[in-house]
Amino acid sequence: QVQLVQSGAEVKKPGASVKVSCKASGYTFRRYGINWVRQAPGQGLEWMGWINPYNGYSSYAQQIQGRLTMTTDTSTSTAYMELSSLRSDDTAVYFCGRDANALTDVPQSVDYWGPGTLVTVSS
Amino acid sequence: ENVLTQSPGTLSLSPGERATLSCRASQTISSSSLAWYQQKPGQAPRLLIYGASSRATGIPDRFSGSGSGTDFTLTIGSLEPEDFAVYYCQQYGRSPTFGQGTRLEIK
Repeated sequence: QVQLVQSGAEVKKPGASVKVSCKASGYTFRRYGINWVRQAPGQGLEWMGWINPYNGYSSYAQQIQGRLTMTTDTSTSTAYMELSSLRSDDTAVYFCGRDANALTDVPQSVDYWGPGTLVTVSS
Repeated sequence: ENVLTQSPGTLSLSPGERATLSCRASQTISSSSLAWYQQKPGQAPRLLIYGASSRATGIPDRFSGSGSGTDFTLTIGSLEPEDFAVYYCQQYGRSPTFGQGTRLEIK
């Protein structure tokens, strides 16, 4: 069965960076893109970016571009999201999610989700 | 950016009633790349509908999606107690965005 397991909660100071991992199992990792979506407390969903593990191509939401880096390690079927220059409004639950369709060149709908990783930014 | 506006913000209905949720886009969504998700407190979203009208695996047939262009609808035929949650639409493709959500609450 498809599973996405994310790293644990983080507390960071403003200006620091955070790196969240998402380890996939139950499918061929390279065939499906990975999306990153965040949700601030009590707020809606915000799409952050997407990476294609097959070729490493990635796309980012314009409002977060420049602070966000997404990578994958195909040897361990793990995707990573690193956000730098953290601010208090980056406090959120960060979800990874698998594309519903394989081998595409743009983000798809998300059929499997990780449980989320809470990142708290506080001085 | 393709802004998605969902209405109503909150919908109060009773079990057994029919729910109609709307999602309007500021720009045409090509290839009907529109999805609907359900989210319950403390949980990750759950994919209900993709391609505007195709049900995801395991989704009951009381959930249906329709629409094209800029106007889309999620209909829940007869509400079950477990359907009360927050629903989001999402357009995907080059620059995905989510709507702000509709809260479906028990009347």
